[in-house]
Amino acid sequence: QSALTQPASVSGSPGQSITISCTGTSSDVGGYNFVSWYQQHPGKAPKLMIYEVSNRPSGVSNRFSGSKSGNTASLTISGLQAEDEADYYCDSYTSSSTWVFGGGTKVTVL
Amino acid sequence: EVQLVESGGGLVQPGGSLRLSCAASGFTVSSNYMSWVRQAPGKGLEWVSVIYSGGTTSYADSVKVRFTISRDNSKNTLYLQMNSLRAEDTAVYYCARSGLTTFGVPRYYFDYWGQGTLVTVSS
Repeated sequence: QSALTQPASVSGSPGQSITISCTGTSSDVGGYNFVSWYQQHPGKAPKLMIYEVSNRPSGVSNRFSGSKSGNTASLTISGLQAEDEADYYCDSYTSSSTWVFGGGTKVTVL
Repeated sequence: EVQLVESGGGLVQPGGSLRLSCAASGFTVSSNYMSWVRQAPGKGLEWVSVIYSGGTTSYADSVKVRFTISRDNSKNTLYLQMNSLRAEDTAVYYCARSGLTTFGVPRYYFDYWGQGTLVTVSS
């Protein structure tokens, strides 16, 4: 049950686009379309941003999009805004009937 | 409105036990997959355990044998019994729901989270 691999930090200027990667194995990310992404602001509970690789829940801005290729999933935030500054986590269902999270990525808006 | 409210956290000595509760409203716990996810101070999220709608359970290797997930359908409440606690179990513990499609098919993501309850294991 090794954690999925995410970059520790990603930064961008307002209006720019950034992409966060999430790398797993064929037993998790590569084997299922059950990758999701969560946003977490300090002291708050995580919030679902993307589910099943590329679907957005109602109420989540269309500036957030997800994709997957092989064992790597990606979250793209376009038109970066100050309010997007937060920690982002990917997760995936696994072949062991468990879930595994990524280590998290701190997004900084310059 | 869906709500999850955790309780039961606190300070416990190494080797001790604690039971966390997660009271749910706005949906039926037994119809959904329900998980516990924890976050150590300054660290990332770690999935801990799930109880499936059919009652089957699964655990992360780090807590297997020591933790037990359960639910009380009459109280619409999820529990996590934590035994043989270690310093590395110190974390905020969240309960999280995996919802259902409109056809009642389980989802494999966490659409609702509680506010979390802090467990501190220290002497």
